[in-house]
Order: sequence, then C-alpha cells, then structure tokens
Amino acid sequence: EAGVVQSPRYKIIEKKQPVAFWCNPISGHNTLYWYRQNLGQGPELLIRYENEEAVDDSQLPKDRFSAERLKGVDSTLKIQPAELGDSAVYLCASRLEVFGVHTEAFFGQGTRLTVV
Amino acid sequence: KQEVTQIPAALSVPEGENLVLNCSFTDSAIYNLQWFRQDPGKGLTSLLLIQSSQREQTSGRLNASLDKSSGRSTLYIAASQPGDSATYLCAFGAGSYQLTFGKGTKLSVIP
Repeated sequence: EAGVVQSPRYKIIEKKQPVAFWCNPISGHNTLYWYRQNLGQGPELLIRYENEEAVDDSQLPKDRFSAERLKGVDSTLKIQPAELGDSAVYLCASRLEVFGVHTEAFFGQGTRLTVV
Repeated sequence: KQEVTQIPAALSVPEGENLVLNCSFTDSAIYNLQWFRQDPGKGLTSLLLIQSSQREQTSGRLNASLDKSSGRSTLYIAASQPGDSATYLCAFGAGSYQLTFGKGTKLSVIP
C-alpha cells in the first residue's frame, strides 16, 4: 500500500512568487495535517482537516497561506506571495480516526521549499 | 500551550551500546505519544505509538514507555547500530487530535 505522497520534493522560487504543494494521503485516512519544519526544529502544525473540513487552522498565516482538501482526499497548500522566511520543509501527514481512537500518524517525504 | 521537550539535543554513542532517549510533556491530558525517526532530507517514519492506556510498546530493538503521572516517555534502543543514526522525534497526541512535536534528539552511532 502506498504511503502519504507529496509533490514536488523540492521547489526553488523567487520571493513574491506563488507556490503550491500537493498531498495524497493514505487511502481511507480521514484526518490530514500540514506541518512546517524549519532546520533543526520539530514540525509545527499549520492546518488539520477532518475529511474536507479544516478544524484547526489557528497557526496558518492566512494573509498569504491557503489550503484546501477536495472531497476529503487530496490536499493542496498554497503560499502567495512567498517570503524568504517561508523557506522550510512542508510535511503532510494522515491518520485514521475510528470512534475517537487516535491511530498512528504517517508522514510523507515532504517538500523542501527554498525562497531566494 | 502544550510543550514537548527532548533531552539531549544530540547524542553520540559507540556501536553496540544500549541507549535511552527522553521526551517530557507538560499536559497530563495525553491521548497518545508517538515516536518518529527522521533521516536527513527525509520525512518522518513512525516507530512506535503508545496509547494513554498503555505503559509501553515494543518493536524489535526498540521499546517505548509512557509515564503520564511524571509527564515522560522514553525510547530505549538496544544494541545500537550505525544505521540507527538519525534524528528521533516524539509527538504528544491531544484530545483535539493535534500532534505536538519536540525538537528531536540527533543520534550518531559510531562504528
């Protein structure tokens, strides 16, 4: 079974340009997370989806970041316009929530964004 | 705000040694704790998940324990190998389904 798939793996853009990341979670997983990881730090949550609903986006910089999860499956995270400080690794994760039980979370390989 | 602390930040051990990585958290209302491994330039690989009702989980040479009363979890690695070199991250699972991460412990196993 395929794991969480993210694309692209790497992206280099100039500041003020837009960029988008794509995530395909594990089939059947109803919860999807986007995290940002800076060098030497742990991942920090940007947004969490339950099916197609964004249930926690308090850490998402809404002036420039947006996300969507169409039909409760694939998700895209967009930055427009990008700033130098947005350089980081963007990680997508998914898990299955069953009757309130928190199952194991699985992560994709991440997208390394460099803004120049 | 939940805080997760991992000490030490880096650890270097000779091959074959047993070692313990530590993770502490401030909120006793824990649902689960998950340990991950991250190789350079890669995503996170899940190692072990401990539910709040459990005290430990084992997988091969890895054993993770959870002590809710003291706010601590440990990851024990037996007979370390150079291939175990990576950064190990713990994540606190809250009732809101959030996962809050520590900054990780970078492990180097010297042949």
